[in-house]
Amino acid sequence: QVQLVQSGAEVKKPGASVKVSCKASGYTFTNFDINWVRQATGQGLEWMGWMNPRDGDTGYAQKFQGRVTITSNSSISTAYMELSGLRSDDTAVYYCARDRDALDVWGPGTMVTVSS
Amino acid sequence: DIQLTQSPSTLSASVGDTVTISCRASQSISIWVAWFQQKPGKAPNLLIYQASSLQSGVPSRFSGSGSGTEFTLTISSLQPDDFATYYCQQYNSYSQTFGQGTKVEIK
Repeated sequence: QVQLVQSGAEVKKPGASVKVSCKASGYTFTNFDINWVRQATGQGLEWMGWMNPRDGDTGYAQKFQGRVTITSNSSISTAYMELSGLRSDDTAVYYCARDRDALDVWGPGTMVTVSS
Repeated sequence: DIQLTQSPSTLSASVGDTVTISCRASQSISIWVAWFQQKPGKAPNLLIYQASSLQSGVPSRFSGSGSGTEFTLTISSLQPDDFATYYCQQYNSYSQTFGQGTKVEIK
């Protein structure tokens, strides 16, 4: 079945970077965009950006421009989201999601905690 | 960025009720709206895409309507499993956005 499996929880210090992975299975990875969405505890969903695994094209929310980088390795059907310059308010669950008409398949989420 | 405003923020209802959640966009987004259901500790689940298309496997008591700037999610005959938080999302532009969410609670 179609699924996205994400890497495990991370604890980082302020100013550090984090890289979260998202491995796809059950479909042709290069056929659909991958998006990243985050959610702070008790808060709403916040869209971060997308990438096209076929050609590497990307787009980022203005809020994260310059701090976020989305990449992929098609040979292992895996997308990555790297966020730099971490602050305490980056503490959140980070989700990857496949974009087929809309965000139809989501990963389980990766908890990223930023704490000194 | 396009802003989405959902109303109400919280909705109290009983099993069997029909409930309606509204989503208003700050500019026209044609039909490029999706609706998601989220339960605590879980990833969102796609219910509706392109404003009114029901995602495969989603019960038919969920329906969506609207175009331009005004959109609605309707849940007919609310079931116990439907108590959750609902989000609208626009994907008209390269920069997508979500509404702030509507929590559907048991009355």
